[in-house]
Amino acid sequence: EDQVTQSPEALRLQEGESSSLNCSYTVSGLRGLFWYRQDPGKGPEFLFTLYSAGEEKEKERLKATLTKKESFLHITAPKPEDSATYLCAVQVGGNTPLVFGKGTRLSVIA
Amino acid sequence: ETGVTQSPTHLIKTRGQQVTLRCSSQSGHNTVSWYQQALGQGPQFIFQYYREEENGRGNFPPRFSGLQFPNYSSELNVNALELDDSALYLCASSAPIHVDEQFFGPGTRLTVL
Repeated sequence: EDQVTQSPEALRLQEGESSSLNCSYTVSGLRGLFWYRQDPGKGPEFLFTLYSAGEEKEKERLKATLTKKESFLHITAPKPEDSATYLCAVQVGGNTPLVFGKGTRLSVIA
Repeated sequence: ETGVTQSPTHLIKTRGQQVTLRCSSQSGHNTVSWYQQALGQGPQFIFQYYREEENGRGNFPPRFSGLQFPNYSSELNVNALELDDSALYLCASSAPIHVDEQFFGPGTRLTVL
């Protein structure tokens, strides 16, 4: 069974304090790994897709990396507006359902 | 280009009732997937529709059913509502070319009393 585990469950950072969120996965064959941001009561907002080990993608203060067993979402010098739940999901085939982790709830304090 | 839209935003029902949730996919997207997200959990896949046919189903009972229309909009129907059906219901659409990228709507918050 395909599984995605995210850690930590919650993370509290001071503004400017860089950190990383972890997503470990166990799948039969990875087609893609996705990162989403979700604000309370809203739908997930697409951030990145990673397809192969060693791949990296960046967007503003966020950088996602991928290995054969896990992905990291690095947040550099976070701001309060980066506070949200960050969801990781895997896909094992084209146009197939996403399997999500439970998310990491990030709070950035000014 | 309009994004994925869902209606209604919020809904309150009582146990045993039936509910229909609606989703309009993003322009050019012919695949719609529905997910259920309980509080504090990640989204769980319910089913997917491609060209008006069900194209995969998660571990949900038959009282969860759906439709996709020729314009690729979709409905999720839930019969005999149970308290545990209270959740945020999310619709995601994807395009024929970029099939790996699913874009989500804002969701419908369903409360079953």
